[in-house]
Amino acid sequence: SQQGEEDPQALSIQEGENATMNCSYKTSINNLQWYRQNSGRGLVHLILIRSNEREKHSGRLRVTLDTSKKSSSLLITASRAADTASYFCATDAGGFKTIFGAGTRLFVKA
Amino acid sequence: GAVVSQHPSWVICKSGTSVKIECRSLDFQATTMFWYRQFPKQSLMLMATSNEGSKATYEQGVEKDKFLINHASLTLSTLTVTSAHPEDSSFYICSASSGGRGDTQYFGPGTRLTVL
Repeated sequence: SQQGEEDPQALSIQEGENATMNCSYKTSINNLQWYRQNSGRGLVHLILIRSNEREKHSGRLRVTLDTSKKSSSLLITASRAADTASYFCATDAGGFKTIFGAGTRLFVKA
Repeated sequence: GAVVSQHPSWVICKSGTSVKIECRSLDFQATTMFWYRQFPKQSLMLMATSNEGSKATYEQGVEKDKFLINHASLTLSTLTVTSAHPEDSSFYICSASSGGRGDTQYFGPGTRLTVL
């Protein structure tokens, strides 16, 4: 079964606005990762945050992790039409395998 | 970054035939490879984990006799969908890791399987 839940399931915003996606998981983790997937394509790794980290930045991306609430958020600032994609969080579920959340479909209108 | 390829990128086959999908790590040795299935507008569901030289570990509900996985070398894993049926039509994605808990997985571009 999947580890995580994400919300919102879908998000539509205007170019230039910020997009925030949330992810919750069920069991303890060593790390949490965010991935992006364009329609019908493979996954692109965006960022990894370890369980002892609370926040991480990469370009226009900001990820937070709250292990007490078992949740993470991905913020994309100053969104662009090219950011339109599905975004997934994934956890290591305490082992070697990666378990994905349900994903958020982001649509950025130009 | 590390590159993982999949072949073929898409395949159409008749019901009852078998289809083999290859996953290769091009510039690193993949101790562990993972196979996922993704239905339209859904997330990736882990099917199995394969370690080089040993039998794959299948997730609950995945038929090991239907989805044969071979990880014969540190750079190649194959998934064979045996006696494919239309309900097996999906996007199959592999990923590879050089091993170690929490190591980054590198994903292949996926294979679109359509069974007529």
